[in-house]
Amino acid sequence: QVQLVESGGGLVKPGGSLRLSCAASGFSFSDYYMSWIRQAPGKGLEWVSYISSSGTTIHYADSVKGRFTISRDNAKKSLYLQMNSLRAEDTAVYYCAREVNCFDPWGQGTLVTVSS
Amino acid sequence: EIVLTQSPGTLSLSPGERATLSCRASQTVSSTYLAWYQQKPGQAPRLLISGASSRATGIPDRFSGSGSGTDFTLTISRLEPEDFAVYYCQQFVSSRYTFGQGTKLEIK
Repeated sequence: QVQLVESGGGLVKPGGSLRLSCAASGFSFSDYYMSWIRQAPGKGLEWVSYISSSGTTIHYADSVKGRFTISRDNAKKSLYLQMNSLRAEDTAVYYCAREVNCFDPWGQGTLVTVSS
Repeated sequence: EIVLTQSPGTLSLSPGERATLSCRASQTVSSTYLAWYQQKPGQAPRLLISGASSRATGIPDRFSGSGSGTDFTLTISRLEPEDFAVYYCQQFVSSRYTFGQGTKLEIK
């Protein structure tokens, strides 16, 4: 079955860095756009970034532009999010999701906490 | 940036009743890119409706989506106990996705 599994979350100090990974299975990963979406504790959903199937088209939300970098390795069926210069307001559960004009399915999420 | 405003913020209903959730966009949205999601506590969101009115695989037919332009609606015809959750609408335009703030559907 189609499955996405995120990893790499944890506690990091303000200004620090973290790299999230998303492992895909059950579908032809290289055929799909992929996105990262986050949800701060008790808050709504915020799209973070997407990457095209080949990796040549990338877009970011203004809130993370210049600090976060999305990438993918189609041979490894994996999606990544490199997060630098982290701030307290980046604290959230980060989800990866497959894109087909909408998000389906979603991974279970990985929690990133930015705190001193 | 297009803003999606969902109403009401909280909807209190009983099982068996009909639920009508609204999503209003600040500018015209393509129906192709209008989707609805359900999220239960501690779980990832689940796609319910794509293309404004197409149910996702495995979604019961009591869920339906409608609308166009700036006004979209998610309707749950007869509420089941498992339907009480938070619902989000989402759109895509100009290389950006945005979500509504959510409607919490709670048991009355």
